[in-house]
Amino acid sequence: LAKTTQPISMDSYEGQEVNITCSHNNIATNDYITWYQQFPSQGPRFIIQGYKTKVTNEVASLFIPADRKSSTLSLPRVSLSDTAVYYCSRGSSYKLIFGSGTRLLVRP
Amino acid sequence: NAGVTQTPKFQVLKTGQSMTLQCAQDMNHNSMYWYRQDPGMGLRLIYYSASEGTTDKGEVPNGYNVSRLNKREFSLRLESAAPSQTSVYFCASSEGGGDPRGGYTFGSGTRLTVV
Repeated sequence: LAKTTQPISMDSYEGQEVNITCSHNNIATNDYITWYQQFPSQGPRFIIQGYKTKVTNEVASLFIPADRKSSTLSLPRVSLSDTAVYYCSRGSSYKLIFGSGTRLLVRP
Repeated sequence: NAGVTQTPKFQVLKTGQSMTLQCAQDMNHNSMYWYRQDPGMGLRLIYYSASEGTTDKGEVPNGYNVSRLNKREFSLRLESAAPSQTSVYFCASSEGGGDPRGGYTFGSGTRLTVV
């Protein structure tokens, strides 16, 4: 059974780098890995996506090792506004599988 | 620039009542999806529509039906609501072709309570 596992919660302080790791042991060959951010009373919002190695955009980096059994979302220099739930997902077709989400709390 | 619009935002139903959740997107996306979100369980796919005129079951389709009314609109119907269907429902869309590149665009959700 395909499963995506991530930590339930994480705490950090403003200005620190935060790394959230997701495990997807039986990822399929065609699966992409996508991370979403969700604020209360809103839908998830696309952050970053990758297939392998490293991807970087204006808000985050995504590290995927060669075996693709895990992925790490890196948020540089977090601020209070980064407090949210972060979801890892994997999929190649129409059936994206989501993790249960990591609740990130950024403290002053 | 509305993106994905869901109505209603909140709804309380009695057990056995029926209702339809509405979803519309203005991004000319081909594919649309309905997810439910429950505490500790992430998002689970109920139904999806790969393109106009097609619908398929996802992970948790029991108790639901869908209609892809046109390219813009994708509705979710509960024929006889049950307390187990208390959840937050999200509609999403993507460019389609089964390719997840670029991610999904989600609506803001419908919070449904069945008593």
